Amino acid sequence: GAGVSQSPSNKVTEKGKDVELRCDPISGHTALYWYRQSLGQGLEFLIYFQGNSAPDKSGLPSDRFSAERTGGSVSTLTIQRTQQEDSAVYLCASSLTGILGEQYFGPGTRLTVT
Amino acid sequence: AQTVTQSQPEMSVQEAETVTLSCTYDTSENNYYLFWYKQPPSRQMILVIRQEAYKQQNATENRFSVNFQKAAKSFSLKISDSQLGDTAMYFCAFMPTGANNLFFGTGTRLTVIP
Repeated sequence: GAGVSQSPSNKVTEKGKDVELRCDPISGHTALYWYRQSLGQGLEFLIYFQGNSAPDKSGLPSDRFSAERTGGSVSTLTIQRTQQEDSAVYLCASSLTGILGEQYFGPGTRLTVT
Repeated sequence: AQTVTQSQPEMSVQEAETVTLSCTYDTSENNYYLFWYKQPPSRQMILVIRQEAYKQQNATENRFSVNFQKAAKSFSLKISDSQLGDTAMYFCAFMPTGANNLFFGTGTRLTVIP
């Protein structure tokens, strides 16, 4: 079956603009994660959705970052008033409930803020 | 705080040889899971192997095996009979039981030389 997909693959934006990044998880996966991977760094947790529960937003770096998950499926990560330090690869992952750590990752969106 | 340390930013190995990637972690938790993920140039993170902390037996997946030393908080990955397709970034990751996300190290770039 289809894996996790993300769009766009690459995004270049000017400082101060808003951007939206999209994630389509694997069908049937109830858990969805967003991570940020900066150059030379490991992955940094941003936000976690599980079913209809309130999301765990503890990893969001500032109030410019927000995310939604509509209908328990597709998720959108929004970054408002982008800054150059937001430049990174944003990775989305999904997993089945109860299978700890079996997170399936998408190919990521490379965001460049100029 | 949960931290994961990979002290080898880059490594290389001759094709068909064996290589070991190091990982140490710091936690006060007693129950947790450890993982090794592979990230090829396509950016897609792929789960290589995982280990439950309560299991003493080291996990093995074909050419990949781990050396889990719980008291030392060490979790190294051994790749036997290295293949060109093993060239990638390798990330060690940690998840406490009941946590919502993975904690990643900064990665080791492995190059398999023909």
